[in-house]
Amino acid sequence: GAVVSQHPSRVICKSGTSVKIECRSLDFQATTMFWYRQFPKQSLMLMATSNEGSKATYEQGVEKDKFLINHASLTLSTLTVTSAHPEDSSFYICSAQGLAGDSYEQYFGPGTRLTVT
Amino acid sequence: GQNIDQPTEMTATEGAIVQINCTYQTSGFNGLFWYQQHAGEAPTFLSYNVLDGLEEKGRFSSFLSRSKGYSYLLLKELQMKDSASYLCAVKDSNYQLIWGAGTKLIIKP
Repeated sequence: GAVVSQHPSRVICKSGTSVKIECRSLDFQATTMFWYRQFPKQSLMLMATSNEGSKATYEQGVEKDKFLINHASLTLSTLTVTSAHPEDSSFYICSAQGLAGDSYEQYFGPGTRLTVT
Repeated sequence: GQNIDQPTEMTATEGAIVQINCTYQTSGFNGLFWYQQHAGEAPTFLSYNVLDGLEEKGRFSSFLSRSKGYSYLLLKELQMKDSASYLCAVKDSNYQLIWGAGTKLIIKP
């Protein structure tokens, strides 16, 4: 089956620094990648949708200047949390979808746990 | 607005059967998904329904009624490892996934 990797799996950073999270589709081309955030005991919250070669579409309430998303190739998308603060500590999960409008599943990465001290 | 409803928490006994319901109101429908998520891990795909009826896959089955905006996930022969959150998600007319808040399933010996 399709495999999506994320790196790093865990990261601890100091307040005010930036953190980059990578999401890769290992055995398929992902035309669309999704970035989610999940706080403890809460459901997934979609942050943004990115299509290869175009600007990401951010959900309402998500600051695009704080959460920079780049989808430069069909197998790689990155999320950069800029000037991170403790309230940004969360579980960040990416997912990838193959063909545009594919009716089948999104393939999830294993997630990245970010802790901002 | 778009809405997915599922119970917040359910408890069941090891070896028993449990049914987790999901109702939805979305702008269009392009399939319904069930995912399992263990604490601290990413969701894993369980099932996909786009036509009415029952889809069976081992101990897990998923049912869909599009006219009623209703689905359920049926888990048989429950095992302790089935303790997890179960997420219902619907793909709308724009092929965007709308997520339910998840149902936390607690399995007791």
